[in-house]
Order: sequence, then structure tokens, then C-alpha cells
Amino acid sequence: NAGVMQNPRHLVRRRGQEARLRCSPMKGHSHVYWYRQLPEEGLKFMVYLQKENIIDESGMPKERFSAEFPKEGPSILRIQQVVRGDSAAYFCASSPSGEGYEQYFGPGTRLTVT
Amino acid sequence: GQSLEQPSEVTAVEGAIVQINCTYQTSGFYGLSWYQQHDGGAPTFLSYNALDGLEETGRFSSFLSRSDSYGYLLLQELQMKDSASYFCAVSGSGGSYIPTFGRGTSLIVHP
Repeated sequence: NAGVMQNPRHLVRRRGQEARLRCSPMKGHSHVYWYRQLPEEGLKFMVYLQKENIIDESGMPKERFSAEFPKEGPSILRIQQVVRGDSAAYFCASSPSGEGYEQYFGPGTRLTVT
Repeated sequence: GQSLEQPSEVTAVEGAIVQINCTYQTSGFYGLSWYQQHDGGAPTFLSYNALDGLEETGRFSSFLSRSDSYGYLLLQELQMKDSASYFCAVSGSGGSYIPTFGRGTSLIVHP
């Protein structure tokens, strides 16, 4: 019974390139959340999606960032024209219901922008 | 909005008991969660309190007082492997279940 899967685990991009982060939720989970974590800090909510719908994107920067969760396939967090400040760990979590207080996290993608 | 306060670091010795406190301010409240995160690892769900009182799960217990906007995580019979960061998270602001996380408490367990 696979847990939440994320890939890649590490991603290096030069400034101005695009970063695509993938997340496959736990089997049977249709609710996906993306978080960003800087060193020595907590998890900052970015976006909450259900299949084919963005439910809450209040934590997502208005520019360069987008997310999707298609009917088939993983959820994608896309960062266009990356800047050094985008360097962080990006975690995806899933939950079986919309009462997402119990979330199951993936191993994260460490994005480094050079 | 929401804000949470928890100590940045706590140290203890193996076999001891340690309590990690969390105070919060929120415009709406559904519950308080606790997560554990080892260095470089994924956060792992530990517990959730929606009602006042103590919830026990093995060596870990979590307490909530809604009237005091306060909760704590209690770890008993500490083991070296318990060295990790512990995050409290509150949900309910604006009617949303999405948790807002504190900055985390680094627990260091010494032999």
C-alpha cells in the first residue's frame, strides 16, 4: 500500500527555468495539498485540490505558480521562471476527506535554484 | 487569521518525559493537530484534538484546552529516535479544515 509519492526528490534549476513537481496521493485519497517549507520554519500552505478542481489557492503566489490535479495522473505544482527565493522543500500531502486535519505527507521535493 | 506559538527547542534525556506547549490564536477553531518531522524527512501525523482533554496514543499524548487556546504534546519514556521537530497545527480559520502550522519545536534527546 504505497504512501504519497513525490518526484523528483531533488531538483536543481537555473534562474528563469521552469520547475515541475509531481505528487501522487495515497490510494483512495482524492484531496491533495501542497506546502512549502524553508529551513527552520513550519509548513506554509499553498494550494488545496481535488480531482480536476482547485478548492483553495489562497497560499499560492499570484504569479509564476500554478497547480493542477487532472482526472488521470499525478498532481503537478509548476513554477515558471524560477528565482533564488523559490529554493525550498515542497511537500505534498493527501487526505481521504475534506476534513484534512489528518494528512499524509510525501517525502518532499527539494528545489534548488542556482 | 491564525498564529501559533511553540518553543523553538526543547532538550531532554532518554527515558524522561517532555511536554511541548502550543498556544494559538484563530478566528475559528476545529481542532489542533501534531506532526513529527525528522531531519530531511516528511511530516508524520501524530494526533488530533477537537475536544478538550487528553488523548493518549502509546508513549505520546496530546492535550487541548479550547478556553485557554492551548494544547500540548506529551512524550513519555523518551528514546533517541524521538529527536525530531514537532509541529502543532490549528484548523478552522474561516471555516477551513486546512491546518496552519507553527514554526516547530526541535526536540533533542540526550543519552
